[in-house]
Amino acid sequence: EVQLVESGGGLVQPGGSLRLSCSASGFTFNNFALHWVRQAPGKGLEYVSAISYDGSSTYYADSVKGRFTISRDNSKNTLYLQLSSLGAEDTAVYYCVKDHSASYFDYWGQGTLVTVSS
Amino acid sequence: QSALTQPPSASGSPGQSVTISCTGTSSDVGGYNFVSWYQQHPGKAPKVIMYAISKRPSGVPDRFSGSKSGNTASLTVSGLQAEDEADYYCSSYAGSNNYVFGTGTKVTVL
Repeated sequence: EVQLVESGGGLVQPGGSLRLSCSASGFTFNNFALHWVRQAPGKGLEYVSAISYDGSSTYYADSVKGRFTISRDNSKNTLYLQLSSLGAEDTAVYYCVKDHSASYFDYWGQGTLVTVSS
Repeated sequence: QSALTQPPSASGSPGQSVTISCTGTSSDVGGYNFVSWYQQHPGKAPKVIMYAISKRPSGVPDRFSGSKSGNTASLTVSGLQAEDEADYYCSSYAGSNNYVFGTGTKVTVL
């Protein structure tokens, strides 16, 4: 059974930093690209970032480019998202999402809430 | 990259059908056959219910169907059931490892 378990969310002050983790199991981790998708409270889904199966290629939405860094450790079956220079607009549930052959998102974690507030 | 446009809400009585549209551009919906749909119940993570425009993952009832014409994709839920009440989001590949989501549609079963 595929499982994606996010952690690392919490309350952070504006301008602060946070690192999210996503521990994966139930599939061959180093065979698949992974993504982060976020959802602000009461709002829709927003695509945030992606990383290729081997970590050699990354993508960032314009809204987070230069502030967020996606990475992965295939030896630990773990995906990361480093968040910095956080603003209120970054308050959201962040989902770790598994890619299905670059065509859709087939498994989602339960999400971790990041709240940016003073 | 702008979000794909969906109607904010849709509704139908049990047993009826509801269709949700998802309008993008030639750079996303119209340019690729990688349109997918996600169902999200309150407080839960999204779940894929349609991919590659009209393919259903294992376990998704055949009451759900998808189509695409030009820059607009559609999801139809036939034979509405109470458990279909949820938020629905479309998504499309938009090139260069970028994806875009729709604005979301809240489906209410009357």
